[in-house]
Amino acid sequence: GQQVMQIPQYQHVQEGEDFTTYCNSSTTLSNIQWYKQRPGGHPVFLIQLVKSGEVKKQKRLTFQFGEAKKNSSLHITATQTTDVGTYFCTYNFNKFYFGSGTKLNVKP
Amino acid sequence: DGGITQSPKYLFRKEGQNVTLSCEQNLNHDAMYWYRQDPGQGLRLIYYSQIVNDFQKGDIAEGYSVSREKKESFPLTVTSAQKNPTAFYLCASSIDRAGPTTEAFFGQGTRLTVV
Repeated sequence: GQQVMQIPQYQHVQEGEDFTTYCNSSTTLSNIQWYKQRPGGHPVFLIQLVKSGEVKKQKRLTFQFGEAKKNSSLHITATQTTDVGTYFCTYNFNKFYFGSGTKLNVKP
Repeated sequence: DGGITQSPKYLFRKEGQNVTLSCEQNLNHDAMYWYRQDPGQGLRLIYYSQIVNDFQKGDIAEGYSVSREKKESFPLTVTSAQKNPTAFYLCASSIDRAGPTTEAFFGQGTRLTVV
């Protein structure tokens, strides 16, 4: 099935630093969703992007969908320890295709 | 409260035994999914069901079986044929088949350990 690749696999930052994770596909996607999984927890839906070039913000989180709809990014400004977890991108077409995830660790 | 419930939270299985993981939802969702997650890994799709009495294999269905006799329930059986069953199992549901505006709701997960 269609795969979405995420980079980096791991990211360690100092609290207050910014963080970005990237999601790439070899084909055009109809949509991108982002989920966050806290350590020991389950994935929770954050946001969905469907339009080319779309940008959405949730407080310190900024989500972008590329113009060609083949890539997406999640940027966190001034990370906090509450941002710790794994961030997954996924697209859905009859079923959900999850990326491999980026595990974020924030040092206080 | 509407939601998706998985039980048990922790499960221990002896080698050679079958074990069934429960997943129940009261969200009136048509579609349900089972994922497997290994430490530090992403989510891999085991089985999914878009409607009652119908289900399809995902990417890693070997050694697993499912049923969808009721809309609310999608149990997963880990059979003795699954060679490396120790993992975190996540059940999810969505209002209908995964279309462009559908999000997935996850249960709390079941952590299965083979002893």
